[in-house]
Amino acid sequence: GAVVSQHPSRVICKSGTSVKIECRSLDFQATTMFWYRQFPKQSLMLMATSNEGSKATYEQGVEKDKFLINHASLTLSTLTVTSAHPEDSSFYICSASLVGVNTEAFFGQGTRLTVV
Amino acid sequence: GQQLNQSPQSMFIQEGEDVSMNCTSSSIFNTWLWYKQDPGEGPVLLIALYKAGELTSNGRLTAQFGITRKDSFLNISASIPSDVGIYFCAGLNSGGSNYKLTFGKGTLLTVNP
Repeated sequence: GAVVSQHPSRVICKSGTSVKIECRSLDFQATTMFWYRQFPKQSLMLMATSNEGSKATYEQGVEKDKFLINHASLTLSTLTVTSAHPEDSSFYICSASLVGVNTEAFFGQGTRLTVV
Repeated sequence: GQQLNQSPQSMFIQEGEDVSMNCTSSSIFNTWLWYKQDPGEGPVLLIALYKAGELTSNGRLTAQFGITRKDSFLNISASIPSDVGIYFCAGLNSGGSNYKLTFGKGTLLTVNP
């Protein structure tokens, strides 16, 4: 299957600082990528849809000024958690869709964010 | 957001046993995807289904796309310890520019050696 690479896999930051997470599609172009948040033992919660060359579409209840998304190229989307607080600590996962006759979605390895 | 009904929530089985889990939805999907997630990792795609009634295998895994397009099941035969993890179903309607996945809540599988 297609490869989606997410970096970093783990990050610890201090309250009030910002953290950037990168999501790259390595062997295909993705006009659309998705960012999820996952709490322990729960399913993936969609935060936003990242659209190449345009503004991201955020799900209800997700603060767009807190979770900045940039999709500057067909292979890279970034999520920046601004002014992080301990409650932002979570597992963040990106996905990219390989669109064709049959569409499949592939996920990055995830980023464990801990805000102290 | 919208979610699929996935069952069971968890399963504890002995190595060598077969496993079955399923997802149902009130709405139709034109694609069903099954993923496995190991702790601390992103979900990995196991099987993709594109046609109603389609039955697809991947090694010891078999999945089917329900005729009504509102359900799917995943079977694992002769389970082994490395099958441990969380299995998610996901429905997708890839029309226009919308490729959002709708996820089930997951099935936590534990395999006792």
